[in-house]
Amino acid sequence: QKEVEQNSGPLSVPEGAIASLNCTYSDRGSQSFFWYRQYSGKSPELIMSIYSNGDKEDGRFTAQLNKASQYVSLLIRDSQPSDSATYLCAVNPNAGGTSYGKLTFGQGTILTVHP
Amino acid sequence: KAGVTQTPRYLIKTRGQQVTLSCSPISGHRSVSWYQQTPGQGLQFLFEYFSETQRNKGNFPGRFSGRQFSNSRSEMNVSTLELGDSALYLCASSFVRDNEQFFGPGTRLTVL
Repeated sequence: QKEVEQNSGPLSVPEGAIASLNCTYSDRGSQSFFWYRQYSGKSPELIMSIYSNGDKEDGRFTAQLNKASQYVSLLIRDSQPSDSATYLCAVNPNAGGTSYGKLTFGQGTILTVHP
Repeated sequence: KAGVTQTPRYLIKTRGQQVTLSCSPISGHRSVSWYQQTPGQGLQFLFEYFSETQRNKGNFPGRFSGRQFSNSRSEMNVSTLELGDSALYLCASSFVRDNEQFFGPGTRLTVL
């Protein structure tokens, strides 16, 4: 089982729709969860971080975390063509020393928002 | 605040050579992590430095090494390059070791 798995893409949504991206992780002790956006040929850009169960909203983005189910998701409301990118879920495995500075990434989900 | 900077942006080397990549973190950030990104393996953690000490290391051979200086700038070195080392090498800095990481633009290494 992969440590961090994302729903297989690509995901295509019409402009103005809600895009839903999902991620599951295997280490139950994981403490920190992040969503990055990566445009083709660019480096990952942090868009959301979440540490506690529940929802966290930032503009059009909402991250949801359920530690019991080992599940984290990202919702993008009012999707725009400029949101078309690869979305990477990243997890800091646990609070111990061997996890310091280490993010484990999923394979990414390619999102296309068409006009 | 200036972001994370990496130099050089592009490198072409031949098998057997060695290469050194440089990373300057965001001002005030003391943790620097390095990652390798390839189409097949995705983003994989190489190592992390904090206060000039390597605190964590991923599953990469000893040909991959790094260091951090007192101003938090970091370098990574790959010796005896192999074709499979062709990748985008990314560094990320954070204010504390397990907080949000911010990535630099990366160094694209091509090994011929």
